[in-house]
Amino acid sequence: DVKVTQSSRYLVKRTGEKVFLECVQDMDHENMFWYRQDPGLGLRLIYFSYDVKMKEKGDIPEGYSVSREKKERFSLILESASTNQTSMYLCASSRPSSGSGHQETQYFGPGTRLLVL
Amino acid sequence: DAKTTQPTSMDCAEGRAANLPCNHSTISGNEYVYWYRQIHSQGPQYIIHGLKNNETNEMASLIITEDRKSSTLILPHATLRDTAVYYCIVTPISSGSARQLTFGSGTQLTVLP
Repeated sequence: DVKVTQSSRYLVKRTGEKVFLECVQDMDHENMFWYRQDPGLGLRLIYFSYDVKMKEKGDIPEGYSVSREKKERFSLILESASTNQTSMYLCASSRPSSGSGHQETQYFGPGTRLLVL
Repeated sequence: DAKTTQPTSMDCAEGRAANLPCNHSTISGNEYVYWYRQIHSQGPQYIIHGLKNNETNEMASLIITEDRKSSTLILPHATLRDTAVYYCIVTPISSGSARQLTFGSGTQLTVLP
């Protein structure tokens, strides 16, 4: 079974703090994703990575950065946390599509609920 | 990406089959139907996906109509642990690059004892 783990289930930080959210997957997946989920807004993509040291902005990258130094690990960084970054953060991973073009399934971690005070 | 329409909520008696409908009338030929669910305060969990044929796995069955404009997820014997929000997602066959998933509002399934 695919396993995606996230470093914390719950996190409380203060405004202005630097926050690191870690995600690790054990299935040798090339693609990794960071989403945030807010009531009424669904899941929104922050950043994704399709290879080590490669990253692409998603729909809402402002205020965030990412790091992918190793294939299994994808970190989300909040450089200076703000109250509007209070949210549920979800990491996901997938293989790239096969030669037939089939979209590979994304597998999600348990989520980190971040509260910024 | 094609949009999906799902009922906001449904109830199902424990032990009975839960049939969750999804309308995706604008689906195109290169788009898959995926189902995920999200139990309260957890990450989304993959259930099943299909292109045009019906599919079955250890969790559920997916029935896709011949015109592909709608589908039904079937949980054959619902348990209390199946209470969750169920999301039907239509996503194109990837061209090779990573693609985000677009989750709608989903259906809140409540399994009643």
